[in-house]
Amino acid sequence: DAGVTQSPTHLIKTRGQQVTLRCSPKSGHDTVSWYQQALGQGPQFIFQYYEEEERQRGNFPDRFSGHQFPNYSSELNVNALLLGDSALYLCASSLFRGRSNEQFFGPGTRLTVL
Amino acid sequence: AQSVTQLGSHVSVSEGALVLLRCNYSSSVPPYLFWYVQYPNQGLQLLLKYTSAATLVKGINGFEAEFKKSETSFHLTKPSAHMSDAAEYFCAVSAPYIQGAQKLVFGQGTRLTINP
Repeated sequence: DAGVTQSPTHLIKTRGQQVTLRCSPKSGHDTVSWYQQALGQGPQFIFQYYEEEERQRGNFPDRFSGHQFPNYSSELNVNALLLGDSALYLCASSLFRGRSNEQFFGPGTRLTVL
Repeated sequence: AQSVTQLGSHVSVSEGALVLLRCNYSSSVPPYLFWYVQYPNQGLQLLLKYTSAATLVKGINGFEAEFKKSETSFHLTKPSAHMSDAAEYFCAVSAPYIQGAQKLVFGQGTRLTINP
């Protein structure tokens, strides 16, 4: 049973560029959430996707956008990159109707903005 | 709204000693609580969760946590530390299930070091 997978593992971009990160959820899961983890900090919630719609959003600017596909996989897009966007981006999958709110995390994508 | 405070950004214990990692939460609704572990260059792995059933929760790798509503705490313990327990630990809170999955709100993390 494949767990949550993310690609790429590492990414280096320069300020002002755009980036797309990808996530495939755990088999059987229908909900994908994205988190940003800055160095030395706890993960912060960016947004959640279910049924190809953004259901919840954290305190992140509109430069951060996402998409969910019919196969439940998801993309995170960040436009006009800033140095402060350098972080580990974590994808988590879950069941929207799963009553425990348990989320399974992928290994993350390390984004470095120069 | 929910928030989490983890007391102590670094905790160091000797191998075989008791591990105690502290977590206090704030929540306007009955919370669900989680402990996750993160090893270097990896994602987060769930250790245990509290979802309004038994207040003493047992998890993987010998860890357990007790939900204390009066103290708004959910401290993580392990009777005897192993070298392999060295990692970053995160406490997280969410609202209870309300017609759909809820976001997790994480604390700042506690780095656990095990001394031989």
